[in-house]
Amino acid sequence: EAEVAQSPRYKITEKSQAVAFWCDPISGHATLYWYRQILGQGPELLVQFQDESVVDDSQLPKDRFSAERLKGVDSTLKIQPAELGDSAMYLCASSFWGHDTEAFFGQGTRLTVV
Amino acid sequence: KNQVEQSPQSLIILEGKNCTLQCNYTVSPFSNLRWYKQDTGRGPVSLTIMTFSENTKSNGRYTATLDADTKQSSLHITASQLSDSASYICVVSDDSNYQLIWGAGTKLIIKP
Repeated sequence: EAEVAQSPRYKITEKSQAVAFWCDPISGHATLYWYRQILGQGPELLVQFQDESVVDDSQLPKDRFSAERLKGVDSTLKIQPAELGDSAMYLCASSFWGHDTEAFFGQGTRLTVV
Repeated sequence: KNQVEQSPQSLIILEGKNCTLQCNYTVSPFSNLRWYKQDTGRGPVSLTIMTFSENTKSNGRYTATLDADTKQSSLHITASQLSDSASYICVVSDDSNYQLIWGAGTKLIIKP
């Protein structure tokens, strides 16, 4: 069964360091999402791609966060420099086409900033 | 502001019992409402998706209902099992800006 792949599964980093997460969506899915989820809360959208284009990054802290999906397939989310408040679960999801189609999630990357 | 509110925040029930989780939303217009199950430390998994014209949808022991007039949805779990312990999140698709609006979830604990 096709899955959204994310790596690493866990990451511990010191504050002010750079960290990157990788996501490989389900083959053929045009829409890719990056979410941040703080314990006990629902996921918060950071960025949404349609193919290689960003369609929504209004909640992405652009002073330290960046995301790319160069060939419209896999994607990388980077944080530089990391802050203590960035500790959270980072989830990647993909859907066939846009918000109306079902989104499938990866297992997430648990980030701890110390 | 479009919102999705879930209740209760947490719930503890005994194995084998039934339970119902609630979702109220103010999102308009919307195209669909989804329920996700999220095990601790893992990504959400879709349980049901309902369009605005559907009233009910089942997935095994999970049955979701939708009342688009009152903007309410519920998720009913029948004959609960220990593996049902998870967070259940209601998500509404906002057609005005093509976004998914997430609730904070209900944390369900099933005790033997």
